[in-house]
Amino acid sequence: DTEVTQTPKHLVMGMTNKKSLKCEQHMGHRAMYWYKQKAKKPPELMFVYSYEKLSINESVPSRFSPECPNSSLLNLHLHALQPEDSALYLCASSQQTAPYNEQFFGPGTRLTVL
Amino acid sequence: AQKVTQAQTEISVVEKEDVTLDCVYETRDTTYYLFWYKQPPSGELVFLIRRNSFDEQNEISGRYSWNFQKSTSSFNFTITASQVVDSAVYFCALSEGFDAGNNRKLIWGLGTSLAVNP
Repeated sequence: DTEVTQTPKHLVMGMTNKKSLKCEQHMGHRAMYWYKQKAKKPPELMFVYSYEKLSINESVPSRFSPECPNSSLLNLHLHALQPEDSALYLCASSQQTAPYNEQFFGPGTRLTVL
Repeated sequence: AQKVTQAQTEISVVEKEDVTLDCVYETRDTTYYLFWYKQPPSGELVFLIRRNSFDEQNEISGRYSWNFQKSTSSFNFTITASQVVDSAVYFCALSEGFDAGNNRKLIWGLGTSLAVNP
């Protein structure tokens, strides 16, 4: 099983809503990532979890709150988002965070903030 | 400073043409890794290849081939006999260092949007 799954595929939320994005992998990978991608741009790293511990936070605003309940699951909790947060949110996993480990990506969640 | 340059923003070809996507990188490390990813319109980034800095052998996988030249700091990607299904954005990326747990980020190029027309 070489798949990373993400739910939901699409999400529309108001600025006062609270929602969560979910990501799951069953490849036994110990590193998981959240990226944000705007149209016609490369992905921007948001968070990295290594062995279920947050290892990188790329100065992401606190309205984004990651959570790694176990080695297979990664959540991104959203609260009080702004319209400029509308983007494709991609989850990825890799064996570890070593620089030679390729990352496997999920299909993404297209988020629209009204 | 690390940097990845994909000078071609958009390329349009007709099916069955060969096409080469350019990738030029900058790094001070002697150990580094280069990646190519494909992002079709559906949005999912698909890993295509990894090459480490010590291995300059060219790679061929079906219609895809990669040419890694350290002398010119380039890692170019060629699609032979292109097909409509090859239409996607292609990203080249760089990662430095070799220690596990080093938490190195991927440095991404801006991507090349390839349109293969029937």
